[in-house]
Amino acid sequence: KQEVTQIPAALSVPEGENLVLNCSFTDSAIYNLQWFRQDPGKGLTSLLLIQSSQREQTSGRLNASLDKSSGRSTLYIAASQPGDSATYLCAPGATGNQFYFGTGTSLTVIP
Amino acid sequence: GAVVSQHPSWVICKSGTSVKIECRSLDFQATTMFWYRQFPKQSLMLMATSNEGSKATYEQGVEKDKFLINHASLTLSTLTVTSAHPEDSSFYICSARGDRLGNQPQHFGDGTRLSIL
Repeated sequence: KQEVTQIPAALSVPEGENLVLNCSFTDSAIYNLQWFRQDPGKGLTSLLLIQSSQREQTSGRLNASLDKSSGRSTLYIAASQPGDSATYLCAPGATGNQFYFGTGTSLTVIP
Repeated sequence: GAVVSQHPSWVICKSGTSVKIECRSLDFQATTMFWYRQFPKQSLMLMATSNEGSKATYEQGVEKDKFLINHASLTLSTLTVTSAHPEDSSFYICSARGDRLGNQPQHFGDGTRLSIL
């Protein structure tokens, strides 16, 4: 079974800082990997989807990279804003089906 | 685009009651839908995967007779928690995807908080 670890578990930064969230997974035979954010008591919002053949994806201030062979992905957030405060989850996906989630990184951006 | 609506958002009911949760894709056809459960301060745990028109595939440890999943159309899946007990209290989240293989991203509903008294 896929094990997903996200480091750090919690992060607090002043507004405007660039930051990196790390995700590692044990089974490198993934089909894709998706990054999400979850606000308290809410569902998940999809941020970026990287296919296994890709190395990175960018959307606005977000950039996600994938090193499938080493079982790692990073999410880079540029010029952080208070509205970025949320829990960030990475989910490596197997073909067709299972997404396994870690416990996420709880981000607080201080104004 | 890619909106997933989940209803109800909050349910409180007595032990022994059956509860139905709906998950709808509003602006795309959801070939595949997923149901997750999330306990406080824990991550999402996949319960089952359903492809439209097929029986759901349940994860190990999830009782298929207790958690009934129906995915009869390309825009609707339902999860029925039968004879719910306090230990079933949790946050249930559905997601939907427009393909079966995984080339498209999953889009999540806002979740249903289920409290069994």
